[in-house]
Amino acid sequence: DQQVKQNSPSLSVQEGRISILNCDYTNSMFDYFLWYKKYPAEGPTFLISISSIKDKNEDGRFTVFLNKSAKHLSLHIVPSQPGDSAVYFCAASGRSGGGADGLTFGKGTHLIIQP
Amino acid sequence: DTGVSQNPRHKITKRGQNVTFRCDPISEHNRLYWYRQTLGQGPEFLTYFQNEAQLEKSRLLSDRFSAERPKGSFSTLEIQRTEQGDSAMYLCASSLPLGRRNTEAFFGQGTRLTVV
Repeated sequence: DQQVKQNSPSLSVQEGRISILNCDYTNSMFDYFLWYKKYPAEGPTFLISISSIKDKNEDGRFTVFLNKSAKHLSLHIVPSQPGDSAVYFCAASGRSGGGADGLTFGKGTHLIIQP
Repeated sequence: DTGVSQNPRHKITKRGQNVTFRCDPISEHNRLYWYRQTLGQGPEFLTYFQNEAQLEKSRLLSDRFSAERPKGSFSTLEIQRTEQGDSAMYLCASSLPLGRRNTEAFFGQGTRLTVV
């Protein structure tokens, strides 16, 4: 049973507009959430994270929002740039996650930025 | 470059053979993780080490899989009697501990295993 769900396999956004990637989780023990970006033939690259004690974290063009009551988080990228085209993975960590301190990943969303 | 290094990058092996992968983590990171990623899926946790101690193993890690980190630095992942279902990208990651909370893990480029 998937504990971290990314329901959109792909998302197409025009350059300069906002990209919004969504992630839902089911395990209330998760207390730390991360977004990773992955290009083909490379390992995932850490992008941004958020602790469950916060509801927003911002880093440059990237903002992550956490809604604990809905068990939902989202990644906003604004403005979107061609180099943002990649697969984005949502991941969660907690005592009941992937190992005591391992990460449980979603299946990823392929973001395509169109010129 | 002082990132996580994995060798080899690609491995093709015949079914039934044994394979071993190596991971060199970022030098000051005492936590090391192994993940497996198959097509269309996110990385799946296999096991992790804190220093040389293997602290947790996923049920995905069958008895054909063994991981070691003998001196708390590099790690090896061995798969014995490989099966076609073992074909995947094997990812290694390392991190610093932050209390009991996971800090961001940095991933290597992975080893792509193809079992024919």
